[in-house]
Amino acid sequence: QKEVEQNSGPLSVPEGAIASLNCTYSDRGSQSFFWYRQYSGKSPELIMFIYSNGDKEDGRFTAQLNKASQYVSLLIRDSQPSDSATYLCAVTPFGNQFYFGTGTSLTVIP
Amino acid sequence: NAGVTQTPKFQVLKTGQSMTLQCAQDMNHNSMYWYRQDPGMGLRLIYYSASEGTTDKGEVPNGYNVSRLNKREFSLRLESAAPSQTSVYFCVSSGTGTDTQYFGPGTRLTVL
Repeated sequence: QKEVEQNSGPLSVPEGAIASLNCTYSDRGSQSFFWYRQYSGKSPELIMFIYSNGDKEDGRFTAQLNKASQYVSLLIRDSQPSDSATYLCAVTPFGNQFYFGTGTSLTVIP
Repeated sequence: NAGVTQTPKFQVLKTGQSMTLQCAQDMNHNSMYWYRQDPGMGLRLIYYSASEGTTDKGEVPNGYNVSRLNKREFSLRLESAAPSQTSVYFCVSSGTGTDTQYFGPGTRLTVL
C-alpha cells in the first residue's frame, strides 16, 4: 500500500469554480501535511502546509485535515487558468522523510 | 540568494557510464534530499542528509551514492548508469524535518 494516495485526474473545472483535491495517507502517526503545485517542466513549489485537524486558509487556498479519517484536501476557490498544474500531496510520517503522492492534474477551463 | 541550485540541467548518458549530480543551497539549511520523479510514480526519495556529516537511505537508494560535502552541498553519484535511472532528479533543502522544502530546478537525465 502506498503511503500517500491521490486521484491522478485529470480534474477539470470551469474558471471561477471551486476545485477540490483529495489525498489519503496510510500512517496514522503522520504529523505534517503539505500541498505542492507543479507546473509542467518545472519543480514543485509549496503552496500550503497544515499540522492540526481542521481548516487552514491562505488566500484562495484552503487546506483541510482530518486525522481520524487520514484525509487531507485542498480547495481552490475562484479557480483561474493559471491554477492549471499538477498538485502534489506530501506527508511526513516520521523524522525527516517526506512521502509524496503521484499528484492530481488540474485544468481550469476559461 | 539563489536558493537551491543543481547542475547539470540536462544530461544524456550511455549505459554503464558514471556521473555526479551537484546540488548546493545558500539558505543555511540542515536537511537536504535527493528525489527522482517518474511518470505515474510520483516523487521518490533516494537519499537524504539530516545534517552535515550524516546521510541515510530513502525509498529507492539502489544504484546511487551520496556525499554531504559540507552544509551547503549534497551530491548524488551514479556509478554505472542504467536505463531504469532515466528520470528527473530534484535536490531539496529544508530548515528542519517539517519545515518548508525548497526544490532545485531539477536535472533531466536520460540513460541510453
